[in-house]
Amino acid sequence: NAGVTQTPKFRILKIGQSMTLQCTQDMNHNYMYWYRQDPGMGLKLIYYSVGAGITDKGEVPNGYNVSRSTTEDFPLRLELAAPSQTSVYFCASSYSRGRAKNTEAFFGQGTRLTVV
Amino acid sequence: SQELEQSPQSLIVQEGKNLTINCTSSKTLYGLYWYKQKYGEGLIFLMMLQKGGEEKSHEKITAKLDEKKQQSSLHITASQPSHAGIYLCGAPLNDYKLSFGAGTTVTVRA
Repeated sequence: NAGVTQTPKFRILKIGQSMTLQCTQDMNHNYMYWYRQDPGMGLKLIYYSVGAGITDKGEVPNGYNVSRSTTEDFPLRLELAAPSQTSVYFCASSYSRGRAKNTEAFFGQGTRLTVV
Repeated sequence: SQELEQSPQSLIVQEGKNLTINCTSSKTLYGLYWYKQKYGEGLIFLMMLQKGGEEKSHEKITAKLDEKKQQSSLHITASQPSHAGIYLCGAPLNDYKLSFGAGTTVTVRA
């Protein structure tokens, strides 16, 4: 099993450019997440998905978009990049069946994004 | 405000000393997870607690879950330089999506 694969690992964007961060999991997890982590801070949830075709906003969704057309893939789109989006981005997946069964989240290795 | 509050925010401990990190939830807990992160790197899963009163240990790290108090503690015995990093607690809260605390930065001084 590859687990959660996140690409790219590093990227420099100019202000106003757009890009897509890719995330794929092969564990058949229903939940997928995108978090950002700023220096010295914890994880802030950008968007999450509870299954294919369903996405919802997290704490800091502005400036981002997501889609979930398949169980495996959950790309994050940055439109009109701004310096405030300079951060480390983590994709994660987990399995949940409500109160009865929840697994821990498996994380990708992160994408270090700099917007200049 | 954070749904998962971690304390302390940071701590410095002398090598060989013990330390404790706390994580308190404002909502009912249906399980709690502890992760560790080295600066600039990905997250390493430490352990998962699912039942009230549950206690798990791995090497010198012990975590407990108090479901009634909606909190968990992580205890490191005889800290070593390898224990330095950021410790994060996570829990499935609203819609069972995973929320995380702000993290506790641990520095171990030789």
